[in-house]
Amino acid sequence: AQTVTQSQPEMSVQEAETVTLSCTYDTSENNYYLFWYKQPPSRQMILVIRQEAYKQQNATENRFSVNFQKAAKSFSLKISDSQLGDTAMYFCAFFRIQGAQKLVFGQGTRLTINP
Amino acid sequence: DAGVIQSPRHEVTEMGQEVTLRCKPISGHNSLFWYRQTMMRGLELLIYFNNNVPIDDSGMPEDRFSAKMPNASFSTLKIQPSEPRDSAVYFCASTSRAGGPGETQYFGPGTRLLVL
Repeated sequence: AQTVTQSQPEMSVQEAETVTLSCTYDTSENNYYLFWYKQPPSRQMILVIRQEAYKQQNATENRFSVNFQKAAKSFSLKISDSQLGDTAMYFCAFFRIQGAQKLVFGQGTRLTINP
Repeated sequence: DAGVIQSPRHEVTEMGQEVTLRCKPISGHNSLFWYRQTMMRGLELLIYFNNNVPIDDSGMPEDRFSAKMPNASFSTLKIQPSEPRDSAVYFCASTSRAGGPGETQYFGPGTRLLVL
């Protein structure tokens, strides 16, 4: 079974700083998808960024980018120029293409952006 | 697009009562997922449907839980009888598989359930 590990339960940075959230996963699959979701205090789950495993290029969405290291099974999220609105829980998720097609989530990292 | 719609947003009930959670997926999406979020277990998939057909219900905790999708625009998750340990936030998510597997899942706002 796939597992997703987020080793940082909590992080805190100052506004405008850059922060990197870690995620590792365990799988024997070669093709899969990886996601980062954000959950602000409203509890809404919001997609931040998505990466296809067959793509070597790291995904980027405005201030959000990933460092995808397939061999190391690592998928970190970098937030540049952090803003107060980035304060949220961040979940890394793995999606297996073959067989049972479901998202497997990590335990989350609580990120606080301080003014 | 209105996004995934869930109702009610909050539900407080007493142990032993029946609880029904409702979900309307994004129009045109043909896959629907029910998740449960608790502090202890995090986010876990309960069941998912493709084209209204249940595909994997291995995450449903026990027979007290049941889910239906009578048509492409509506799904229910029912708990009968409810127990305090069912207290959690329940999310519904939908996706279109037209683009192939791994399409992004879009989540509803969740239903916060408290069973007393």
